[in-house]
Amino acid sequence: DSGVTQTPKHLITATGQRVTLRCSPRSGDLSVYWYQQSLDQGLQFLIQYYNGEERAKGNILERFSAQQFPDLHSELNLSSLELGDSALYFCASSEDATNEKLFFGSGTQLSVL
Amino acid sequence: GQSLEQPSEVTAVEGAIVQINCTYQTSGFYGLSWYQQHDGGAPTFLSYNALDGLEETGRFSSFLSRSDSYGYLLLQELQMKDSASYFCAVRGASGGYQKVTFGTGTKLQVIP
Repeated sequence: DSGVTQTPKHLITATGQRVTLRCSPRSGDLSVYWYQQSLDQGLQFLIQYYNGEERAKGNILERFSAQQFPDLHSELNLSSLELGDSALYFCASSEDATNEKLFFGSGTQLSVL
Repeated sequence: GQSLEQPSEVTAVEGAIVQINCTYQTSGFYGLSWYQQHDGGAPTFLSYNALDGLEETGRFSSFLSRSDSYGYLLLQELQMKDSASYFCAVRGASGGYQKVTFGTGTKLQVIP
C-alpha cells in the first residue's frame, strides 16, 4: 500500500459526460501528479501540483482540468468525454516538488462508452 | 521537450540476468528513475540515479551515463515474479520547473 488513495476505482460513463477523479496523497506529501495510461501505453504526464499551486503541465487537454485543495487532496476533472479518453488515470505524490521518488495510487479505470 | 526510448519487450530465463536499456532526451537533466508495474497494478519505485555510475539495491541495479544520455536497469537472479513492465522516467527542466516524463515501458517476461 503506497498510502496514496484514489477514488473511484472504476468509472463507466457515456460520451459527452463529465467526471471527477479524486486523489489523497500520502500523509506529509505536498506534491501531486496526474498521469494517464492507455492500453499498452506508457504513463503520459498530465499535470503536477505543489502545495496547492500548479507546478508543471504536460499534455493535458483543454477539456481536462485539475486542482489541489488546501488539505492537499487533488481532483482531476474530465469533461466532454470522448471514447479515446478511456484509460487508467494514476495519481502520484511526493514529499516535495523535486523529490525523485513518486508514490502511485492504484488508479481509476475510466471507460467511456 | 523530453523523450525516452526503451525496448518494448524482453524475455529472459528464470535465474538469469537481464538488462533493460533506456536512452533519453531532455533539457536540464536532474535524474533517471526506474519503476516496476505488474499487470493491473500501480507503478512502484525501484531506483534513481542523479550521478554517473551504478546504484545497487538487492537484485536490482541501475546505471547512468549522463554524457551518453543513457541508463539501464539490471535484474539479477530473475524470478517469475519479476515478470512485469519496467519504465524509465527522466526528471528534466520544463518551463522553469522540473517534470517527470516516463518511457513507454519494457514488458519483461520471465520463463522457466
